[in-house]
Amino acid sequence: EDKVVQSPLSLVVHEGDTVTLNCSYEVTNFRSLLWYKQEKKAPTFLFMLTSSGIEKKSGRLSSILDKKELFSILNITATQTGDSAIYLCAVLGSGNTGKLIFGQGTTLQVKP
Amino acid sequence: DAGVTQSPTHLIKTRGQHVTLRCSPISGHKSVSWYQQVLGQGPQFIFQYYEKEERGRGNFPDRFSARQFPNYSSELNVNALLLGDSALYLCASSLVGYTEAFFGQGTRLTVV
Repeated sequence: EDKVVQSPLSLVVHEGDTVTLNCSYEVTNFRSLLWYKQEKKAPTFLFMLTSSGIEKKSGRLSSILDKKELFSILNITATQTGDSAIYLCAVLGSGNTGKLIFGQGTTLQVKP
Repeated sequence: DAGVTQSPTHLIKTRGQHVTLRCSPISGHKSVSWYQQVLGQGPQFIFQYYEKEERGRGNFPDRFSARQFPNYSSELNVNALLLGDSALYLCASSLVGYTEAFFGQGTRLTVV
């Protein structure tokens, strides 16, 4: 059965800290891995990773994929209170369905 | 450009009733997917439609159905509502189903 597992499930840090969120997967036919930030309702797209070893970066956020070891990490440097959210990792299979398989999410709380 | 729009934003229904949720994708996107998210979990895939055809169905009972219209908007229908159907229902649109998926604000359904 296809599975995506995120760790830790929750994390509390102080502003300015750096955090690393983990996502491991077991998927029959892998196409890409996506990261989303969910604050209240709508998950907001962060990154889509398809190739191993190529870091994607957006401001203080960065992510990388390891297709050999079947995991991805999301790094957030110099955290701010506005980074407090649930971070979701999802894997897209190579079939025609467009089905995203989500992990359970990591809840990040950044304290002032 | 408008993002993905969903209606209504909130809904309260009684057990046994029927509900219709609506989604308009980003202009130019031809694929719409529906997800159910219960508290504390990642979204679960319900359906994907592309060019008005169902491309994928998740592990949900036949009480759940959907369709996509010629303008690529979509409806999710749920019959004979159960308490366990209470959740956030998310719609995601993408260009062709295996590209980045962007989510709407969701419909919060409460079944009492």
